[in-house]
Amino acid sequence: EAAVTQSPRNKVTVTGGNVTLSCRQTNSHNYMYWYRQDTGHGLRLIHYSYGAGNLQIGDVPDGYKATRTTQEDFFLLLELASPSQTSLYFCASSDLDTQYFGPGTRLLVL
Amino acid sequence: QQKVQQSPESLIVPEGAMTSLNCTFSDSASQYFAWYRQHSGKAPKALMSIFSNGEKEEGRFTIHLNKASLHFSLHIRDSQPSDSALYLCAASSGSWQLIFGSGTQLTVMP
Repeated sequence: EAAVTQSPRNKVTVTGGNVTLSCRQTNSHNYMYWYRQDTGHGLRLIHYSYGAGNLQIGDVPDGYKATRTTQEDFFLLLELASPSQTSLYFCASSDLDTQYFGPGTRLLVL
Repeated sequence: QQKVQQSPESLIVPEGAMTSLNCTFSDSASQYFAWYRQHSGKAPKALMSIFSNGEKEEGRFTIHLNKASLHFSLHIRDSQPSDSALYLCAASSGSWQLIFGSGTQLTVMP
């Protein structure tokens, strides 16, 4: 089964702070995704990428930047965190259809 | 913009019952349809998927797709307490971008 890891698993920051969430997959998948999950909204796509150096905008990109540095590594950046970005963040990878999710990062913005 | 809606929001069934979960999508050009299951505190995990009209069975789980009515569903035969989870449906119009519904919280009572 595909392996996707995320770090940190929990993060607390203050309004206006900088946060970087990391994701690594070890299965040579081309596609990687960042989602946020909030009660009542399911999974909402923030950004995705189909290879190193590539970035595609998802459905809720405002306030987020992302960078895919290698085939394995995908980062989500919050440069001026706001309380509305308090959420559970999932990274996923896929090679065609099935997406494999990491364990999630719980972010609290005070 | 693809929209995916699920019903019901929550469902409680007795052990051994047949469970039916529903999903509607808005983009008639959608090509790929999937169900994911997320146990409490865990990552979403792919359960089943389908490309063509009709049905597909895997063990106790059956997925139905009717593109003309913009509807697909998941049926669980002989529901077990271990099936208790958040069920997320998803549809894709291409570019391997999945749009998820908001989820159905299923509880199977022993």
